[in-house]
Amino acid sequence: DQQVKQNSPSLSVQEGRISILNCDYTNSMFDYFLWYKKYPAEGPTFLISISSIKDKNEDGRFTVFLNKSAKHLSLHIVPSQPGDSAVYFCAARYNNDMRFGAGTRLTVKP
Amino acid sequence: DGGITQSPKYLFRKEGQNVTLSCEQNLNHDAMYWYRQDPGQGLRLIYYSQIVNDFQKGDIAEGYSVSREKKESFPLTVTSAQKNPTAFYLCASDLGSGRVNTGELFFGEGSRLTVL
Repeated sequence: DQQVKQNSPSLSVQEGRISILNCDYTNSMFDYFLWYKKYPAEGPTFLISISSIKDKNEDGRFTVFLNKSAKHLSLHIVPSQPGDSAVYFCAARYNNDMRFGAGTRLTVKP
Repeated sequence: DGGITQSPKYLFRKEGQNVTLSCEQNLNHDAMYWYRQDPGQGLRLIYYSQIVNDFQKGDIAEGYSVSREKKESFPLTVTSAQKNPTAFYLCASDLGSGRVNTGELFFGEGSRLTVL
């Protein structure tokens, strides 16, 4: 069962514009939500997280928004830079159970 | 520097052979995890361990085995019973249950296994 879904396999944006990556989940027990960035043949690196008791968390150019009623979270990157081009995984966690989405490949064009 | 080291980075195996992937961490983390990544799919949990000498199956444990004899080490053996072993394998660690703050897992660089 796919408890975390990223419905857009790819996204292309122009440098300097906003990138919005979306994620939906089904399990209301999840209490942490995370975004990871991954380059080919490397392990994912942690980007930003949000607790289920919050609706927004910001870190520099990255902001994660959580809408619990809709079971939806999004990652905003502004302004987008070519170095942001990577695969972004959404993850949701409850204790030892961390579920990952299939990833969205972001391409930022100069 | 603290981190997670996986080896080998690339591995080729003939059908019917067992192969063991190494994972070592010096982060003093209690919990360790093995994930598998296939193209177009998210990471899927194979096994995890919360403490030395104890481990639990994840969603896709069939055809795999693990051991946790030391806190720092969590090797994964891909056995001949695994029907489709070609994949990218990722090891991760964290502080463990009850000590999670951001929920973050720390990942190694991964090992790519190809069955010939």
